Amino acid sequence: AQSVSQHNHHVILSEAASLELGCNYSYGGTVNLFWYVQYPGQHLQLLLKYFSGDPLVKGIKGFEAEFIKSKFSFNLRKPSVQWSDTAEYFCAIKNSGGYQKVTFGTGTKLQVIP
Amino acid sequence: DTGVSQNPRHKITKRGQNVTFRCDPISEHNRLYWYRQTLGQGPEFLTYFQNEAQLEKSRLLSDRFSAERPKGSFSTLEIQRTEQGDSAMYLCASSPRDRSFGRSAYNEQFFGPGTRLTVL
Repeated sequence: AQSVSQHNHHVILSEAASLELGCNYSYGGTVNLFWYVQYPGQHLQLLLKYFSGDPLVKGIKGFEAEFIKSKFSFNLRKPSVQWSDTAEYFCAIKNSGGYQKVTFGTGTKLQVIP
Repeated sequence: DTGVSQNPRHKITKRGQNVTFRCDPISEHNRLYWYRQTLGQGPEFLTYFQNEAQLEKSRLLSDRFSAERPKGSFSTLEIQRTEQGDSAMYLCASSPRDRSFGRSAYNEQFFGPGTRLTVL
């Protein structure tokens, strides 16, 4: 069975601080990896995804994530956060075969203080 | 608005009653997904349709739950004999199939606003 672990449940940062949100997964095969974001009052939306190739993936709004296969990790980073990044962030995985099931982590609430 | 829509947005029901939710995916998206999200948790996969065929079902989908997508467009999720543990946000998502990657390709799932169910 596949599972996702997000270490930080609630993170508070000041504007311009750097961000790193941890994500580890458990699955014996090849996976596709995602970060989703949910801004207050809005729908879940895709921030970035990794399928293959360069393990450093760039997403929208200056976010990036690095897939480290040996550590089963896919941490999300941003060099300088803004107040508008206040949201809940979910890491998710899908096995790279034909199954469509996506497994989400429990989420990390990010609060950016102006 | 051409996004995924869900109705109703909120539903309050008494234990033991049946409820039905509707999801209208983005037009021409042939894949449709249902998730359940409880407080403090991420979305949990329930089931997946490709066109009208229900291809995957989670073990979370007990026999009280049934989902349909009769014409390959909108979908309904019915919960019979609701229990307090069914209280949750029910999310629907849809995605297109990317033919350039073959039949098992994954594309971004576009989520709807969800239906919040409260069982009293």
